[in-house]
Amino acid sequence: LAKTTQPISMDSYEGQEVNITCSHNNIATNDYITWYQQFPSQGPRFIIQGYKTKVTNEVASLFIPADRKSSTLSLPRVSLSDTAVYYCLVERADKLIFGTGTRLQVFP
Amino acid sequence: DSGVTQTPKHLITATGQRVTLRCSPRSGDLSVYWYQQSLDQGLQFLIQYYNGEERAKGNILERFSAQQFPDLHSELNLSSLELGDSALYFCASSTLSGGRPGNEQFFGPGTRLTVL
Repeated sequence: LAKTTQPISMDSYEGQEVNITCSHNNIATNDYITWYQQFPSQGPRFIIQGYKTKVTNEVASLFIPADRKSSTLSLPRVSLSDTAVYYCLVERADKLIFGTGTRLQVFP
Repeated sequence: DSGVTQTPKHLITATGQRVTLRCSPRSGDLSVYWYQQSLDQGLQFLIQYYNGEERAKGNILERFSAQQFPDLHSELNLSSLELGDSALYFCASSTLSGGRPGNEQFFGPGTRLTVL
């Protein structure tokens, strides 16, 4: 299964757009990509899922290029409450690999 | 509140001991996943069950085992505990069997295990 890597940390300011990229070079045809948000001492929470191209929901967008070897989570106009760790997950029916996680710090 | 419950919330034990962590999935969810998260570390997938059957296996040690019961709750058994087993253990549940569109996992609050 694809090995997934992410930047360790990112800083941003309130109101800015944040893009977090996950690299999964060995992704397979049947693998789906999901992003989760985790606050300290809490379980992760689902943000968005996609297979290819672009997916958008009320909180984020997910961009997946044609080769699917990476994916980018886009958070529009972040606020202080978006300070958290963000994980990408590449999964198929019999395997799941979480990325290394990106710690996002949002400043006022 | 995700609807997933885990007990106990905290567990302190000694090396060499055995413990059991319990997870109750959301109502209607057939899949249960177990994860380990060490201090300041990422999430390590351990194992997944779907409707009572093992469906996917990750980096689960031989000293660890799990099962899902007919009422769909799951237990993770950790034996011959070592200091390095100290971690947060999360359970998650989902409706589908995994690797399919729309398979959102709902995570419980976790069990914090401390091995002294």
